[in-house]
Amino acid sequence: GAVVSQHPSWVICKSGTSVKIECRSLDFQATTMFWYRQFPKQSLMLMATSNEGSKATYEQGVEKDKFLINHASLTLSTLTVTSAHPEDSSFYICSARRGSGGRDTQYFGPGTRLTVL
Amino acid sequence: SQKIEQNSEALNIQEGKTATLTCNYTNYSPAYLQWYRQDPGRGPVFLLLIRENEKEKRKERLKVTFDTTLKQSLFHITASQPADSATYLCALGYSTLTFGKGTMLLVSP
Repeated sequence: GAVVSQHPSWVICKSGTSVKIECRSLDFQATTMFWYRQFPKQSLMLMATSNEGSKATYEQGVEKDKFLINHASLTLSTLTVTSAHPEDSSFYICSARRGSGGRDTQYFGPGTRLTVL
Repeated sequence: SQKIEQNSEALNIQEGKTATLTCNYTNYSPAYLQWYRQDPGRGPVFLLLIRENEKEKRKERLKVTFDTTLKQSLFHITASQPADSATYLCALGYSTLTFGKGTMLLVSP
């Protein structure tokens, strides 16, 4: 159990376009979902935390107008990279947590490789 | 600021030996420390969690120690196998995680 999927697994887009990445918890309801970004040979950096039905909380330095997060249901969160530029090329990973009050570990998705030309 | 250090150089060991990976941290007093495995182009997979009041935790061939005085965790894989080859990430926290860069482990037959 505790499977998290992401779609697409990779995407290539032109500079200036927007890209939407989906994160789904397949066999549990996720009250909280997290979005991370990982550059080559770097650590995962938390971008934002989203709770179902409320606005996402963004980490310092992450532009909320550029990285739009929607957590419309207990099994789906989306990250939209708006007006993507080559420097946004990265590996985007989501994670989902069951329960509330931080009583469960995070389950990570397989990641989405974004390449902006 | 919080800092997590993991050896950036890959650890090469022979099959059957014990691999030991290190995680050091500064400017932080985590109540929890976690270890994850990450394969190339994949998301992290949770391995073990250890609490600040626990000195050691085991799961099959894995063992984690947590020394809050030294601000260090050691991650051991006994009887290592080529399939254990991956990058291992240390993460501090429970609700919100702060990750280290990871150490690549290469187990040769």
